[in-house]
Amino acid sequence: DTAVSQTPKYLVTQMGNDKSIKCEQNLGHDTMYWYKQDSKKFLKIMFSYNNKELIINETVPNRFSPKSPDKAHLNLHINSLELGDSAVYFCASSPRDSPLHFGNGTRLTVT
Amino acid sequence: DQQVKQNSPSLSVQEGRISILNCDYTNSMFDYFLWYKKYPAEGPTFLISISSIKDKNEDGRFTVFLNKSAKHLSLHIVPSQPGDSAVYFCAATSLNTDKLIFGTGTRLQVFP
Repeated sequence: DTAVSQTPKYLVTQMGNDKSIKCEQNLGHDTMYWYKQDSKKFLKIMFSYNNKELIINETVPNRFSPKSPDKAHLNLHINSLELGDSAVYFCASSPRDSPLHFGNGTRLTVT
Repeated sequence: DQQVKQNSPSLSVQEGRISILNCDYTNSMFDYFLWYKKYPAEGPTFLISISSIKDKNEDGRFTVFLNKSAKHLSLHIVPSQPGDSAVYFCAATSLNTDKLIFGTGTRLQVFP
């Protein structure tokens, strides 16, 4: 009964590959997010969707494409992976003007 | 440009004592502040928040203080318990946006 679940938990892949991370929330929240925590521990917002509509796109390379088939899902697809994409990616959801609920993260390692 | 700063990467406190975690921000438009707690291999979980119209908010052992003039907030945990050992992130936002800006975290270790 995990509230925000993301898969996979770990992802190891080679440069140039395309990969996806899935996220689902069963909290009924309207807004979902992707955050990236890099090696320096900065946790930065990448995207925000509200009811399947893109709200925030934080100057992320267009190799990253979020997709929201419905308001309970926000998947992240990454094309042509680069070494610098290695990080922990967190999905989150929230009702309007309320604290975020995070998933447990996906550790992506690009070799 | 780091708008939310946690200058202490780590803090070690004895069980039963007070833990004080500090956070500074630069953007005067921030009007809502939050603390998140993170255990290894888990996502951050919401702990406590404070609106800019207040200077203190208390929830059990956790109290957040806000000094708007100094652009500084702090989280007090008293008494500290070993289960409080985690990384604590300070975060700030404006309520008219969905963007939450995080600090880099402070690792708290509470020892017996």
